[in-house]
Amino acid sequence: RKEVEQDPGPFNVPEGATVAFNCTYSNSASQSFFWYRQDCRKEPKLLMSVYSSGNEDGRFTAQLNRASQYISLLIRDSKLSDSATYLCVVKGYNNNDMRFGAGTRLTVKP
Amino acid sequence: DTAVSQTPKYLVTQMGNDKSIKCEQNLGHDTMYWYKQDSKKFLKIMFSYNNKELIINETVPNRFSPKSPDKAHLNLHINSLELGDSAVYFCASRKRTGGRFEQYFGPGTRLTVT
Repeated sequence: RKEVEQDPGPFNVPEGATVAFNCTYSNSASQSFFWYRQDCRKEPKLLMSVYSSGNEDGRFTAQLNRASQYISLLIRDSKLSDSATYLCVVKGYNNNDMRFGAGTRLTVKP
Repeated sequence: DTAVSQTPKYLVTQMGNDKSIKCEQNLGHDTMYWYKQDSKKFLKIMFSYNNKELIINETVPNRFSPKSPDKAHLNLHINSLELGDSAVYFCASRKRTGGRFEQYFGPGTRLTVT
């Protein structure tokens, strides 16, 4: 089993749609969780951290379920500019313990 | 202004050569990283480094060595390049604010070994 697993997609959705991505992780001792966004041939950029209580930032909502070891990202009212690859990231105790998922590719179409 | 910068952006070289990639951050962060993103798009951490410790991912060949002349720079030196080293290499630095953890990535260096 991979340490961090994501559905690679692609997810092709129309503008205005709501889309959700899930990510599962294998290490129950993981401490911190994040969603990053990576545009084609660009660097990853932090989209949002994921907190135990769930958190929202505009059209984006992140949830963490420690018992089931999964993280989710919900995007409401999709925009063309949301087209990108979304990376799930899980961090352990030490500086080096960062595990990236392979990413879920999203394309939002007019 | 670019927060985390890398040079060069593209690097094409032959097997067996030695090359370096430079990274600089102007954010005042004290921890920096090198990542490798292969053709399958997996990002894997290679090193993390602050002024107190260097942590090396055990899967990284010892042909790869990070060198930090000061807190704002973490360069990556690669000896005896191999075809399998072809990838995009990202430098990153970390901010830690009130227990929150955020990484900022450089634009990447696309290395092609022929």
